[in-house]
Amino acid sequence: KNEVEQSPQNLTAQEGEFITINCSYSVGISALHWLQQHPGGGIVSLFMLSSGKKKHGRLIATINIQEKHSSLHITASHPRDSAVYICAVGGTGANSKLTFGKGITLSVRP
Amino acid sequence: DAGVIQSPRHEVTEMGQEVTLRCKPISGHDYLFWYRQTMMRGLELLIYFNNNVPIDDSGMPEDRFSAKMPNASFSTLKIQPSEPRDSAVYFCASSYLAENTDTQYFGPGTRLTVL
Repeated sequence: KNEVEQSPQNLTAQEGEFITINCSYSVGISALHWLQQHPGGGIVSLFMLSSGKKKHGRLIATINIQEKHSSLHITASHPRDSAVYICAVGGTGANSKLTFGKGITLSVRP
Repeated sequence: DAGVIQSPRHEVTEMGQEVTLRCKPISGHDYLFWYRQTMMRGLELLIYFNNNVPIDDSGMPEDRFSAKMPNASFSTLKIQPSEPRDSAVYFCASSYLAENTDTQYFGPGTRLTVL
């Protein structure tokens, strides 16, 4: 069993829809990261969470440490949100080693 | 700042050849990470440095792989000898440890093809 599981593996949505991407992990962590990888291959760090919720524009990330689960929500989705969303767990600072999920491929249709 | 810089962007080489990938982290960042991405295994951490010192190299697949960070502005990942199964995209990332933030900034990656 992988330490980091993401679901669903592939997701297709219509422009404007509310999207939720999930991540579950089986190890104790200090932080969880959400990364976005565009079709061109570049990787952007979206959020780092250790508790609660963070919001940036149309993106909201939540984490439940007790349940070892995190969700990434996209409101009013747009075709430019089409990308692979990768969840990674690990420590912070001196224990920064990250373990990655396989990623979810999101396609938003106009 | 120009962000994390990696070179070359693409490398095609023949099996058995030595390959050197280069990375320049963001100025002032004290952590540097080397990752490998393949279709089969996704993203994997190979090694990371703090203040130029290797902290965890448990992800380095074999002795054929080595990484150095001679100073705060430069790191190399070397594969000698290279094999076809080393074909992947290699990312370098850097970060700065500060309170409540640990964002890693990724370079554009080096796409390595070993024939």
